[in-house]
Amino acid sequence: ETGVTQSPTHLIKTRGQQVTLRCSSQSGHNTVSWYQQALGQGPQFIFQYYREEENGRGNFPPRFSGLQFPNYSSELNVNALELDDSALYLCASSWTLGDEQYFGPGTRLTVT
Amino acid sequence: AQSVTQLGSHVSVSEGALVLLRCNYSSSVPPYLFWYVQYPNQGLQLLLKYTSAATLVKGINGFEAEFKKSETSFHLTKPSAHMSDAAEYFCAVTLNNDMRFGAGTRLTVKP
Repeated sequence: ETGVTQSPTHLIKTRGQQVTLRCSSQSGHNTVSWYQQALGQGPQFIFQYYREEENGRGNFPPRFSGLQFPNYSSELNVNALELDDSALYLCASSWTLGDEQYFGPGTRLTVT
Repeated sequence: AQSVTQLGSHVSVSEGALVLLRCNYSSSVPPYLFWYVQYPNQGLQLLLKYTSAATLVKGINGFEAEFKKSETSFHLTKPSAHMSDAAEYFCAVTLNNDMRFGAGTRLTVKP
């Protein structure tokens, strides 16, 4: 059991709106990463947080932002939603940088 | 930058047959390599990982993979497919904390 949970499971938003997705990492995991998985594709790296600081970022615009909290929870915020933002959003946590990652079940976001 | 290429978006095998899922990587330095499995409507589960120790890596559910530097490959194999192996499989490479995934291979197991 990975111990990584995400909420909500499913979400429907309208283009232009803002959304916050939440992740609860396994206790003790200092690193959390967020990925976007479009239908039929592999996960794409959005960004990573290590001890509450952003530690790396993929090719995503600034309207994708995040936070990591001391209680091993984290958030992914997306502003000005676009239709192409419709995807499964996955968070993954690990003990430390470069360690194997444990994935949550994902949040499926639909933008209409 | 590092990347992975998975050859074959769909692979179909009969139950009991050999499973071979192909992955080639591109990296300027020896990377860490992973295979993950994703069942429908679920997150990714780690099957196995290569971290520069033994080149033949054994994972869960009878899967194994061999790191071949000369071929820049990390193919996933299982001697005998089971119906429960039907899923999407992803190869991934990580370097400097940046994990890149392949596009995935959907494995179908026929009775």
